[in-house]
Amino acid sequence: TQLLEQSPQFLSIQEGENLTVYCNSSSVFSSLQWYRQEPGEGPVLLVTVVTGGEVKKLKRLTFQFGDARKDSSLHITAAQPGDTGLYLCAGDGSSNTGKLIFGQGTTLQVKP
Amino acid sequence: EPEVTQTPSHQVTQMGQEVILRCVPISNHLYFYWYRQILGQKVEFLVSFYNNEISEKSEIFDDQFSVERPDGSNFTLKIRSTKLEDSAMYFCASSLGQSSNQPQHFGDGTRLSIL
Repeated sequence: TQLLEQSPQFLSIQEGENLTVYCNSSSVFSSLQWYRQEPGEGPVLLVTVVTGGEVKKLKRLTFQFGDARKDSSLHITAAQPGDTGLYLCAGDGSSNTGKLIFGQGTTLQVKP
Repeated sequence: EPEVTQTPSHQVTQMGQEVILRCVPISNHLYFYWYRQILGQKVEFLVSFYNNEISEKSEIFDDQFSVERPDGSNFTLKIRSTKLEDSAMYFCASSLGQSSNQPQHFGDGTRLSIL
């Protein structure tokens, strides 16, 4: 069974601090996605990483895919209150039917 | 930007009743999905649907569940006889394809409350 474990589950930091969220698995994924979910809304895609070792940047967010494609990280530089939300990683299931396997999410609170 | 829309946003139903959750996927998308999220738990895959057939279903998607694309625009999830444990957020998603550069787009969900 493919599982994705995210850590930490909760993170409360001050505006301006840096943080890293981790998404780990014992399984290989052909791609991993990072989503952000606001209360009362569905997940919104931030990025997809496909190649082992790949690094993608989205403004102050840096996403990395592990060399072995079993893990990923999301690093936020100089966090702002607008970054507050639930961050989810998701990997494609091995069945090639589009099934996504989600981590349990990291709830980030950035205090002004 | 086109989006996936789901109705209703909140559905309250008595246990044992049938419920139909509705989704309008993005118009040119070909692959459709339902996921659910029980409060405080992970988003879980329920079913994927392509070319008017179920591609894959999870263990959760038992005989009480069914999906349909009745008219080329709507994609529905029916729960025949609801149970208390069916209470959750249900998310519909759609994608143009299944490659990594054709990601799934999610609706804002239907909150299903079973009394």
